[in-house]
Amino acid sequence: AQSVTQLDSQVPVFEEAPVELRCNYSSSVSVYLFWYVQYPNQGLQLLLKYLSGSTLVKGINGFEAEFNKSQTSFHLRKPSVHISDTAEYFCAVVYGQNFVFGPGTRLSVLP
Amino acid sequence: NAGVTQTPKFQVLKTGQSMTLQCAQDMNHNSMYWYRQDPGMGLRLIYYSASEGTTDKGEVPNGYNVSRLNKREFSLRLESAAPSQTSVYFCASGSGSWNEQFFGPGTRLTVL
Repeated sequence: AQSVTQLDSQVPVFEEAPVELRCNYSSSVSVYLFWYVQYPNQGLQLLLKYLSGSTLVKGINGFEAEFNKSQTSFHLRKPSVHISDTAEYFCAVVYGQNFVFGPGTRLSVLP
Repeated sequence: NAGVTQTPKFQVLKTGQSMTLQCAQDMNHNSMYWYRQDPGMGLRLIYYSASEGTTDKGEVPNGYNVSRLNKREFSLRLESAAPSQTSVYFCASGSGSWNEQFFGPGTRLTVL
């Protein structure tokens, strides 16, 4: 079965520090890749997506992600985080008709 | 536009009771989805509907049924609730399998 791995379940980081949230997926064929963010007691919102083209994708709120086909990875980065970035982040991959979500990484930004 | 709406927001059931979770979207999307979210497991697809009149099982369909009433509405029914169905349920819609999905605010269900 296709799978999505997010290696870190929790990432604490100080405000204004850089952060990287890791995502790896199991398929080596062409895939579509997404990062979503979930703020407390809310639904998921799209941060960014990779469908084709440039492997560096820029999203909302200063986030970006890089698609690496050889390493089957799609890591999310932000050069300087804010308190308001505290949330849970989900990587998702489209296999066929369906989205497969990773287990999520809880980012906690500390003052 | 309201986007994706879900009712109710919260529900407590006793084991064996039944209920229907309602979902509606006003974005004219063909595809609609039901997920459950459990701690440490991300979102798991229960059922989806690629277009009006069609439904298909996802990863965890057991204990659930769905109805795609029309293009706007996609309901999820629990016929006989079990404690293992305690979860947060999200409805989503989208215009195609490779496109962004838009999520509702969720329904927090507790089965005692």
